[in-house]
Amino acid sequence: QQQVKQSPQSLIVQKGGISIINCAYENTAFDYFPWYQQFPGKGPALLIAIRPDVSEKKEGRFTISFNKSAKQFSLHIMDSQPGDSATYFCAARSYNTDKLIFGTGTRLQVFP
Amino acid sequence: DGGITQSPKYLFRKEGQNVTLSCEQNLNHDAMYWYRQDPGQGLRLIYYSQIVNDFQKGDIAEGYSVSREKKESFPLTVTSAQKNPTAFYLCASSAGGEQYFGPGTRLTVT
Repeated sequence: QQQVKQSPQSLIVQKGGISIINCAYENTAFDYFPWYQQFPGKGPALLIAIRPDVSEKKEGRFTISFNKSAKQFSLHIMDSQPGDSATYFCAARSYNTDKLIFGTGTRLQVFP
Repeated sequence: DGGITQSPKYLFRKEGQNVTLSCEQNLNHDAMYWYRQDPGQGLRLIYYSQIVNDFQKGDIAEGYSVSREKKESFPLTVTSAQKNPTAFYLCASSAGGEQYFGPGTRLTVT
């Protein structure tokens, strides 16, 4: 019940295309859903986050879509660029802890 | 410069030796965390601390120890009891739920 399931494991997208990464959870106590971007050999960087009281949040080319009833959330990267090539992790936090539960990551490759 | 620093970036040790990884933050965050990352896997929580002089075990605490004597520092010791210590270790801190990560330390034990 504490798991966050992330898919796909890897994703190849043409430059200018849309990258979509999906996550699903079971624990209804989760109340905060961040996405992290990690380049090889670096620490993850907080990209964008959403709380369950909204269904969508957009920051530049990055959008989180949240479906509370289906317990799913996804990251959309519009106009994907080669510089977006990285590993992306979704995560979830329960309202009564400060711990994040991470998905297993998606390796995105954007080709010119 | 505000942020989280981890040192060293690369660390090599012989089997059977304890090793301590440093994590320092100047963000004035109360909570700090240690994660382990292995290839093809997500981040697994080793230990976390929500306040000075207090810490809790995460999901994979066996073979590790921590201390939290100062708000800005949260060192992790990888002991000889840890069966597979070679990994990428990440420190994080948080305030208000948002976690921020350091650059990581890659530990290789041979």
